[in-house]
Amino acid sequence: ETGVTQSPTHLIKTRGQQVTLRCSSQSGHNTVSWYQQALGQGPQFIFQYYREEENGRGNFPPRFSGLQFPNYSSELNVNALELDDSALYLCASSLQGPNYGYTFGSGTRLTVV
Amino acid sequence: AQTVTQSQPEMSVQEAETVTLSCTYDTSESDYYLFWYKQPPSRQMILVIRQEAYKQQNATENRFSVNFQKAAKSFSLKISDSQLGDAAMYFCAGGSSNTGKLIFGQGTTLQVKP
Repeated sequence: ETGVTQSPTHLIKTRGQQVTLRCSSQSGHNTVSWYQQALGQGPQFIFQYYREEENGRGNFPPRFSGLQFPNYSSELNVNALELDDSALYLCASSLQGPNYGYTFGSGTRLTVV
Repeated sequence: AQTVTQSQPEMSVQEAETVTLSCTYDTSESDYYLFWYKQPPSRQMILVIRQEAYKQQNATENRFSVNFQKAAKSFSLKISDSQLGDAAMYFCAGGSSNTGKLIFGQGTTLQVKP
């Protein structure tokens, strides 16, 4: 059991639309990060939330935004979708802190057409 | 800036043999941690092993061990007694406790031949 679940598993959207991806962490995982993984590439850090506050952001435009809720679930929102946003989006959470490594979900495969 | 580099896009090993995957990193952070993750076709990133970059002792987890060369900033993964289930994409990653974010390498696809 991974403790981190993501929904949906697959999603197809049209360019210009908005999308919300969801992640559910185990209770107590107060740190959650989102990553974008293009096909055949390593994941790229989008942003991180700690106790419902964003406390780190990668090189992604403001149309990528997120939320973390008190029940340790979180969302990734992407506005004005572009074709290049097509990727696997991974959610990762940590119970003991990032030093011990993150537990990843299985991701949401987003296709923008 | 932090970088993580994997120079082997693909590797192949015979079942029961040993294989080593290479990784180099660069960072100015002092409180740095290194990880190897396995990503099978199921897409989930699975933590294989972690290493504290300020410790010289090499980490070991069952058949998986690292060769950590601090001065060379090298962090290679050795898989002993390779099994068919080890076939996957392997990513090396580094992270600082200051930022929490992980920087991933480009990945190495490992094929295990029966």
